[in-house]
Amino acid sequence: AAGVIQSPRHLIKEKRETATLKCYPIPRHDTVYWYQQGPGQDPQFLISFYEKMQSDKGSIPDRFSAQQFSDYHSELNMSSLELGDSALYFCASSRYDSGKENIQYFGAGTRLSVL
Amino acid sequence: GDSVTQMEGPVTLSEEAFLTINCTYTATGYPSLFWYVQYPGEGLQLLLKATKADDKGSNKGFEATYRKETTSFHLEKGSVQVSDSAVYFCALRAKAAGNKLTFGGGTRVLVKP
Repeated sequence: AAGVIQSPRHLIKEKRETATLKCYPIPRHDTVYWYQQGPGQDPQFLISFYEKMQSDKGSIPDRFSAQQFSDYHSELNMSSLELGDSALYFCASSRYDSGKENIQYFGAGTRLSVL
Repeated sequence: GDSVTQMEGPVTLSEEAFLTINCTYTATGYPSLFWYVQYPGEGLQLLLKATKADDKGSNKGFEATYRKETTSFHLEKGSVQVSDSAVYFCALRAKAAGNKLTFGGGTRVLVKP
């Protein structure tokens, strides 16, 4: 079965540079979530989109922005990178189904290293 | 706010030993509860879930029961294998707070042959 695809898998950037992470949800999934997992930390929710509209916002820095496109893929744009942005970034997707638990399926993550 | 607390690791066990990972939560209302597993170098995989009180989630020999009275969702497996070595995350979705997941700190489990 198709899974959530994230690219790139690894990314190395310098401080103050920008980075773009991409996420391709499972086919027919309409909701995308972004999480950040720092070293030895639990994943922290950043932001989510449903049907191309932002649906929820967590602890996402103002330097970050994200969007969901017409084909439902999503991109997380990160600017003015800081050392503390080094983390594993997960994307998850789900399909909205009223009255049912919308299970989130996770991608393998993008490991961002800021030097 | 919503939070999940789980026992710290690492937990080191021998093969065929009994595994328990404690998880308690704080949330508004009655959240849905999940256990996710993360194998080395991989993403999070849903292991099991429970959406209401007294529900029991089970998968691959793992079980967890949603206990409203004790706000707990402890993970158990009767006989672990080396392949169960991973990091286990307890998580909740507070239904009044949208669909975002709130995770516990994770528990690393190492099973030795």
